[in-house]
Amino acid sequence: DAKTTQPNSMESNEEEPVHLPCNHSTISGTDYIHWYRQLPSQGPEYVIHGLTSNVNNRMASLAIAEDRKSSTLILHRATLRDAAVYYCILGGWSGAGSYQLTFGKGTKLSVIP
Amino acid sequence: KAGVTQTPRYLIKTRGQQVTLSCSPISGHRSVSWYQQTPGQGLQFLFEYFSETQRNKGNFPGRFSGRQFSNSRSEMNVSTLELGDSALYLCASSLAGQSYEQYFGPGTRLTVT
Repeated sequence: DAKTTQPNSMESNEEEPVHLPCNHSTISGTDYIHWYRQLPSQGPEYVIHGLTSNVNNRMASLAIAEDRKSSTLILHRATLRDAAVYYCILGGWSGAGSYQLTFGKGTKLSVIP
Repeated sequence: KAGVTQTPRYLIKTRGQQVTLSCSPISGHRSVSWYQQTPGQGLQFLFEYFSETQRNKGNFPGRFSGRQFSNSRSEMNVSTLELGDSALYLCASSLAGQSYEQYFGPGTRLTVT
């Protein structure tokens, strides 16, 4: 399975932008890049996903390198509610039409008031 | 729209026993995936069901099994419990063909003593 590498932890000041990096040098051409986050005592929550082009949604932006070997999740203005573990995940189609997410260790983001 | 629900939320079992966990997906979602989350191994994929058929299975022993009913509700069963099975078991549902975005339940915390 293709793997991702993320920093174990990061800190950010409240109301400042946050850039969470992810390396995925073994990504295949059909793998999508996903970001999920997990708040304490909750299940993971979808944040954003993309294939080749940069993506924006109401929660965040995803910047994908041209060679697709790395990506960055951008939170434009961190709030205390954004403190969570952020997972960078490669998703791909397995046999029989199944789509599988392979989670890594994630980055624990702390937001400082 | 109600989210993914999992029952029970907490469970304590003894080694050697078996356990059944239940997951009710979001209405209209036909794909259900199960994950095991432990501090040491992180989130690991167990299996995925779609239209009552298992489409994909992770690298877990045969003691872990599951099924899906015609209303898309899913159950997973673990037989002959071991101490190492203590974990948070998460299920996630998604729309058919849109497994890029999976919605996770709060999980069932299983403790094996």
